[in-house]
Amino acid sequence: SQTIHQWPATLVQPVGSPLSLECTVEGTSNPNLYWYRQAAGRGLQLLFYSVGIGQISSEVPQNLSASRPQDRQFILSSKKLLLSDSGFYLCAWSSQTGKAFFGQGTRLTVV
Amino acid sequence: DQQVKQNSPSLSVQEGRISILNCDYTNSMFDYFLWYKKYPAEGPTFLISISSIKDKNEDGRFTVFLNKSAKHLSLHIVPSQPGDSAVYFCAASAHRDDKIIFGKGTRLHILP
Repeated sequence: SQTIHQWPATLVQPVGSPLSLECTVEGTSNPNLYWYRQAAGRGLQLLFYSVGIGQISSEVPQNLSASRPQDRQFILSSKKLLLSDSGFYLCAWSSQTGKAFFGQGTRLTVV
Repeated sequence: DQQVKQNSPSLSVQEGRISILNCDYTNSMFDYFLWYKKYPAEGPTFLISISSIKDKNEDGRFTVFLNKSAKHLSLHIVPSQPGDSAVYFCAASAHRDDKIIFGKGTRLHILP
C-alpha cells in the first residue's frame, strides 16, 4: 500500500533562516506531487506541483522553492524565511485515479 | 483568482439532521471533483469524488451532487454525527492526472 511521509511535524524558525521540508512517498511510482499551505482564512493554497523528476510548476510567486531530486521525493525550501511564511504545510501525492493523499503536515512558525 | 469557492466559512447542524455543504467553481475545464475532511493539525482525508459524467455519487452517509450547468456541487451528510465536526474542502481538477485546486473550506459543527 502507498504511504506518504512528511517531516518535521512542527518547526519554529527565526526570520531570515533557511527552510527545508521533506516529503517521501512509498508504494507507488511516478506520482504527481504537491506542496500546499493552509494559512488562516485562505484554505489549501497550492504552492508547487510536480509531474516528474525535475519538473516543478510554481503556482504562487513567493519566497519558497521546490525540488524533486528523486521520483518519490519532494522538497520545499527557502533561503530566507519571512514572518508571512508561517503556516501549515502539506505534502500530497496523486496518481491517475485523480485522488490526492496527504501527509500529516508541518506546522511552521517563523518568529 | 479563486477557481473553487466555498462561500460559507462555517455551518452548524443538529446531530441526526442533514448537513449540506456547497461549492462553486469557475473553470469550465474542471471535470473531476472531490471532497476532503480535515481535522486540526492533520492532513486532509479523501471522502468522496464525482466525475463530470455523473450528477450524483453516493457512499454510505455521504452523497455528492454535481450541477454542471450551474458549476455547483454539494456534499450531503445524513444523518450528521458528532465525529463529522471538521473542516470540509471541495476540490477540482481539469482531468484526473492534473493538479488539484482546493477551496477555502467550510467548518462544520455538529451540535448535540
